[in-house]
Amino acid sequence: ETGVTQSPTHLIKTRGQQVTLRCSSQSGHNTVSWYQQALGQGPQFIFQYYREEENGRGNFPPRFSGLQFPNYSSELNVNALELDDSALYLCASSLGPWAFFGQGTRLTVV
Amino acid sequence: ELKVEQNPLFLSMQEGKNYTIYCNYSTTSDRLYWYRQDPGKSLESLFVLLSNGAVKQEGRLMASLDTKARLSTLHITAAVHDLSATYFCAVDMSGYGNKLVFGAGTILRVKS
Repeated sequence: ETGVTQSPTHLIKTRGQQVTLRCSSQSGHNTVSWYQQALGQGPQFIFQYYREEENGRGNFPPRFSGLQFPNYSSELNVNALELDDSALYLCASSLGPWAFFGQGTRLTVV
Repeated sequence: ELKVEQNPLFLSMQEGKNYTIYCNYSTTSDRLYWYRQDPGKSLESLFVLLSNGAVKQEGRLMASLDTKARLSTLHITAAVHDLSATYFCAVDMSGYGNKLVFGAGTILRVKS
């Protein structure tokens, strides 16, 4: 158990729809990062939030957006879903050098 | 752009044998991570290596980091079936903020 929880665990959406994924960070961790892991690949960095501000972004289009709240929980929003958005979405919270991953949300776009 | 390459991508081992997974990266970083992932599961932290020459060991796994060669190794000693999983190395892009670039992963299968 890492203390990082994500919801929902599984989700099926239709192409063109919007989705919100949630992450509850480990207590006291003020940094949260989101990753997309397509089947058979390594995770890819989407963006990071530090104290409610975006603090770096990977090579993802603007339809991927996020929020971090005062309690350091976080959301990942994806608009205009595409089939290629089907993946496992992981959040990781960190304080110092360690990053602890949640169990992930499996998103399927049909 | 930081690139991380692992090899081999697939490794089939007999129980009791030793082997090494290699992780090369393209730009300077002194923070490297190893993770384990079981099928359908999230990432389990194994090691974080924070400086040149760092060596960490846990059970049958030992990781090392050579920042000058931009190389990390994960050595498996006397493999057992329970070590079967996918192993990822990841390098921190920022140096302090845990923005990780992952390798493609090494699928390890340990046969009885």
